[in-house]
Amino acid sequence: GAGVSQSPRYKVAKRGQDVALRCDPISGHVSLFWYQQALGQGPEFLTYFQNEAQLDKSGLPSDRFFAERPEGSVSTLKIQRTQQEDSAVYLCASSLVQGATAVTEAFFGQGTRLTVV
Amino acid sequence: TQLLEQSPQFLSIQEGENLTVYCNSSSVFSSLQWYRQEPGEGPVLLVTVVTGGEVKKLKRLTFQFGDARKDSSLHITAAQPGDTGLYLCAGVVGNTPLVFGKGTRLSVIA
Repeated sequence: GAGVSQSPRYKVAKRGQDVALRCDPISGHVSLFWYQQALGQGPEFLTYFQNEAQLDKSGLPSDRFFAERPEGSVSTLKIQRTQQEDSAVYLCASSLVQGATAVTEAFFGQGTRLTVV
Repeated sequence: TQLLEQSPQFLSIQEGENLTVYCNSSSVFSSLQWYRQEPGEGPVLLVTVVTGGEVKKLKRLTFQFGDARKDSSLHITAAQPGDTGLYLCAGVVGNTPLVFGKGTRLSVIA
């Protein structure tokens, strides 16, 4: 497809389970961002990649959160030992432009809704 | 502390009415954006403003960036049910990634 694709769209995890969320950015896009959007809130920045390099991970809430983009294309956000407060929509965005502010010209995916029970 | 404060948080109006939503901060932004997000979808960019005092129009939507680049407003004329959604403002401070407000949830009733 032409847009940013995220999978799965919905994920229900038992507390303590590990989950992996996938993002397929638009082909050729250099920059990739992950955001977390809790119910009733705006998206909050988690991490930023430029190609395969993770240049900013200041928004990751704990060391249970890990993101990678090994070949500079597809990215995976992994959450270990999920907790109820991890329940949120996880949004991925990609941009042709380089730099952290490239998100101003980024396209967002539909998100993955994670529910931890 | 929320860097970007949006108001009102919720707004329910009749079709054909006008409305204004606000985005305020104590920080100066190098650029500010407005997005609309529908349920189950990611945010979709409506406009980017970069110059203090700038006004941009997108059909029935008018966006204004404050002179000091600390605030912005979105005005919708003759609202339609298709305008229903979550309106998010987001800004860039220096070289930091985009920061979002909590949004204004708009409901336009036919």
